[in-house]
Amino acid sequence: DSGVTQTPKHLITATGQRVTLRCSPRSGDLSVYWYQQSLDQGLQFLIQYYNGEERAKGNILERFSAQQFPDLHSELNLSSLELGDSALYFCASSGSGRAQETQYFGPGTRLLVL
Amino acid sequence: GENVEQHPSTLSVQEGDSAVIKCTYSDSASNYFPWYKQELGKGPQLIIDIRSNVGEKKDQRIAVTLNKTAKHFSLHITETQPEDSAVYFCAASEGGSYIPTFGRGTSLIVHP
Repeated sequence: DSGVTQTPKHLITATGQRVTLRCSPRSGDLSVYWYQQSLDQGLQFLIQYYNGEERAKGNILERFSAQQFPDLHSELNLSSLELGDSALYFCASSGSGRAQETQYFGPGTRLLVL
Repeated sequence: GENVEQHPSTLSVQEGDSAVIKCTYSDSASNYFPWYKQELGKGPQLIIDIRSNVGEKKDQRIAVTLNKTAKHFSLHITETQPEDSAVYFCAASEGGSYIPTFGRGTSLIVHP
């Protein structure tokens, strides 16, 4: 168990809908990362937050947004969902968010868009 | 940006055999190379990493080698066990980057 928790574990929704994925980092970790894992694209970095502020941005679509709250948990919002958004979404956390720091991954949320 | 190629995509071995997974990277500035293991239904977990100032690192049955000139690095697992069955990902990042670039993964199957 990495200490990172994600809810829900599974999510089934329809195209055009909006969902929110939640992540709680390991105790004491200040940085949160979001990744998307699909069969055809592998593990793709979406966005990183450090102590409430956006630090790095990857291949995140404009339909997707995230935030990190004062208690350090983070939420990833996915809107106007398309079939291609079906994937595993992972959250990871690290202590200080500095470059090349070990990231600890949560168990993921499996999203299915029908 | 960085591009990481990983081979093979699937590797099937008998228990007790060795397994080797190879990765190449494109950015000569990359200097940190972590390896992750992802078991079914779980998130990736770091199993070993290597920095560009060393050529090899070992941790019990796992070792990683790095060839900076050729820009490739490999994961070696000796005396494989069924519990080694998982998907393994290599990754690479350069000094100023917070985010590693991942390979596509290798599904390792260890047959009892």
